[in-house]
Amino acid sequence: EADIYQTPRYLVIGTGKKITLECSQTMGHDKMYWYQQDPGMELHLIHYSYGVNSTEKGDLSSESTVSRIRTEHFPLTLESARPSHTSQYLCASSATENTEAFFGQGTRLTVV
Amino acid sequence: GQNIDQPTEMTATEGAIVQINCTYQTSGFNGLFWYQQHAGEAPTFLSYNVLDGLEEKGRFSSFLSRSKGYSYLLLKELQMKDSASYLCAVIIRQAGTALIFGKGTTLSVSS
Repeated sequence: EADIYQTPRYLVIGTGKKITLECSQTMGHDKMYWYQQDPGMELHLIHYSYGVNSTEKGDLSSESTVSRIRTEHFPLTLESARPSHTSQYLCASSATENTEAFFGQGTRLTVV
Repeated sequence: GQNIDQPTEMTATEGAIVQINCTYQTSGFNGLFWYQQHAGEAPTFLSYNVLDGLEEKGRFSSFLSRSKGYSYLLLKELQMKDSASYLCAVIIRQAGTALIFGKGTTLSVSS
């Protein structure tokens, strides 16, 4: 079983609020990813990191930011939530680029 | 830009064999993964190919042709529990390496 955890699992929040989605893994993986996925739709890469103090933006333009101060922790922050941010956010990690990525259970975000 | 194509939907019956194709046009290809995702759940790993050829794991096999930008996932002896989305994902080189997913193929298995 994968040791990667996301909190919260579900979040309903008002427009304009600042939120941070947490992602932690205990596998010592260098590579971590954030994806956005609407129901029945594809996973869009929004941020990734290949080690401490390295972060890159993915293919999907996003108003979120990430940080990687510790290997095990890769939080995603929305400074001002909007209804268009309503989606599921999935965090993943892998030991190397050529090994399988393990996914957390996701955070389902609703902005009202 | 990056482009990964898969059929949107497929249907099959229990016990049958199904092949799900994936074509890709990406920069700096570094390997291809197949994942399974049941509705409402996180994706789980099925297979990985980096060299041309076939990789077999039980009922599932995956094939890669790098020169053609083509892969397929072969599922044998289909079971109802195989009804899920199957995601083709490519490792690309851009400021490090990133794992990019296709839109996925929804497979429905009927009895």
